[in-house]
Amino acid sequence: DAGVIQSPRHEVTEMGQEVTLRCKPISGHNSLFWYRQTMMRGLELLIYFNNNVPIDDSGMPEDRFSAKMPNASFSTLKIQPSEPRDSAVYFCASSRRRLAGGFFGELFFGEGSRLTVL
Amino acid sequence: KQEVTQIPAALSVPEGENLVLNCSFTDSAIYNLQWFRQDPGKGLTSLLLIQSSQREQTSGRLNASLDKSSGRSTLYIAASQPGDSATYLCAVHRANSKLTFGKGITLSVRP
Repeated sequence: DAGVIQSPRHEVTEMGQEVTLRCKPISGHNSLFWYRQTMMRGLELLIYFNNNVPIDDSGMPEDRFSAKMPNASFSTLKIQPSEPRDSAVYFCASSRRRLAGGFFGELFFGEGSRLTVL
Repeated sequence: KQEVTQIPAALSVPEGENLVLNCSFTDSAIYNLQWFRQDPGKGLTSLLLIQSSQREQTSGRLNASLDKSSGRSTLYIAASQPGDSATYLCAVHRANSKLTFGKGITLSVRP
């Protein structure tokens, strides 16, 4: 299996520009997560999807952030307009959610997208 | 609110030493606990997953234990090697809720 695939690996942009990060989860996984990692705050969950439906987006910082999952093999995280404080590494992760009990199986992460907003 | 704590934030040991990394959590009603490794500039690699009904899991030189009642987990690394140098994070998951991560322990194994 190819694992969770994210693109781009690095993005440098100027304040006010739109940023789109992409993720392809592991085939067969039905839960997808977007995390943000900074030195100060560690790993923060932004949003997660189950069967392509957003379940919890309470971690999304503000309306400038949006995420979509149009099908089981693709998700995007968009920031518009971007700000310097959005600079971080953004991770996508996927797992197989067990239907009975509703808890998640082992979580697998992509390599991350390092975003720098100047 | 679930809080996950990993202390100390950094640890340096000589090669060959057996070591224990600690993880504590405030809410014992968890479904599972997962240990990850993160190398600089890389994503997180899953090391071990312990379900709430389990007491421990082993993989090679790694052994993770879970004590739900006391809100603690430990990751034991036997015969440490320089290649074990990385940041180790634990994360706990409650039913239908977010996976909560600790901030990690940065391990340095000196040759």
